[in-house]
Amino acid sequence: DTEVTQTPKHLVMGMTNKKSLKCEQHMGHRAMYWYKQKAKKPPELMFVYSYEKLSINESVPSRFSPECPNSSLLNLHLHALQPEDSALYLCASSQGTDNTGELFFGEGSRLTVL
Amino acid sequence: SQQGEEDPQALSIQEGENATMNCSYKTSINNLQWYRQNSGRGLVHLILIRSNEREKHSGRLRVTLDTSKKSSSLLITASRAADTASYFCATIMNTGFQKLVFGTGTRLLVSP
Repeated sequence: DTEVTQTPKHLVMGMTNKKSLKCEQHMGHRAMYWYKQKAKKPPELMFVYSYEKLSINESVPSRFSPECPNSSLLNLHLHALQPEDSALYLCASSQGTDNTGELFFGEGSRLTVL
Repeated sequence: SQQGEEDPQALSIQEGENATMNCSYKTSINNLQWYRQNSGRGLVHLILIRSNEREKHSGRLRVTLDTSKKSSSLLITASRAADTASYFCATIMNTGFQKLVFGTGTRLLVSP
């Protein structure tokens, strides 16, 4: 299994809603990532988990809350988002934690905030 | 801010032609990677070149790396309509941290 699975594929939420994005991989990878991508822009790193511990937070607003319940799962909890948070949210994983190898990406969750 | 700038931003060619994309970056790197993204979907890893390598091939892909100029190029030979996608270079800065940073990307359109 060489897949990273993200759910849901599409999500529409209001600014007062609480929702979560989920990511799962069964490749035994030890690092997992959240990236945010706006239209026609490159992905921007948000968070990195290494061995289930948060190792990088790229100064992301607290309305985004990551969680890594175990080595196969990564969640992104969303609360009180703004319309400008609408974007494609990409999850990725890598075998090592020193990031010298490739990242495997999911298909993304497209988020629309009304 | 992005580590890499890519050039051109957009490229339109005919099937069978070669496509060349360039990437420049700012700081010393551990390795440089190229990814492909079909419209609105996830990214797919194409090739990785380490800082001590100068050229690498994979099928119809050829990547070069010039660390003195802090630049890399991706050549796709004999392009096909299915190669239509956005292509991003990505670098890991030589800080030891797990931080893969993407360039601005090149949108490639290959017409039949």
